[in-house]
Amino acid sequence: GAGVSQSPRYKVAKRGQDVALRCDPISGHVSLFWYQQALGQGPEFLTYFQNEAQLDKSGLPSDRFFAERPEGSVSTLKIQRTQQEDSAVYLCASSPGGQSYNEQFFGPGTRLTVL
Amino acid sequence: GESVGLHLPTLSVQEGDNSIINCAYSNSASDYFIWYKQESGKGPQFIIDIRSNMDKRQGQRVTVLLNKTVKHLSLQIAATQPGDSAVYFCAERGKGYSTLTFGKGTMLLVSP
Repeated sequence: GAGVSQSPRYKVAKRGQDVALRCDPISGHVSLFWYQQALGQGPEFLTYFQNEAQLDKSGLPSDRFFAERPEGSVSTLKIQRTQQEDSAVYLCASSPGGQSYNEQFFGPGTRLTVL
Repeated sequence: GESVGLHLPTLSVQEGDNSIINCAYSNSASDYFIWYKQESGKGPQFIIDIRSNMDKRQGQRVTVLLNKTVKHLSLQIAATQPGDSAVYFCAERGKGYSTLTFGKGTMLLVSP
């Protein structure tokens, strides 16, 4: 079946621009996670949704980062006034139930480059 | 595709060899330890997990060993294949709901 998809796969933004990154999780998956992965590093947690509720946003680096999942399926990560340090791969992951946190199904990521 | 392997520790093996990838963790309160594999241009893929009350767990061609005394985790891959070439990350998490904390990766290169 279809896995997690993310769009766009690549995004180039000028410093100060706003960007929106989309995640389509596996159908029926309750949990959805966003991660940021810098080059050569492991993914770092940003935020977690259970259905439409954002239960944890402790990893969001600043108030320029905002995520939503209004209908409990598709999610959007928005970054306002992008800075060069925001350049990274943004990964989305989903998992079936509210308690299945170990096995997460990741999308291919969106590579954001801020010039 | 994306390169996530820059400046990573690298393990080079021949096809058919057994591979051992090591990870040191810091949080003795972690309840689960998990291994993920990330191929170039793709997101991480779950391999296997182990709970903190276990020492060893086996999967298909993989074995994870946990040594809580020295806070060390290892992933053993039997009969390594070229398709195993990837960056491998260990991750840990606490009890109940908690986030995954990924460690530094190790790049595995398998030569035919």
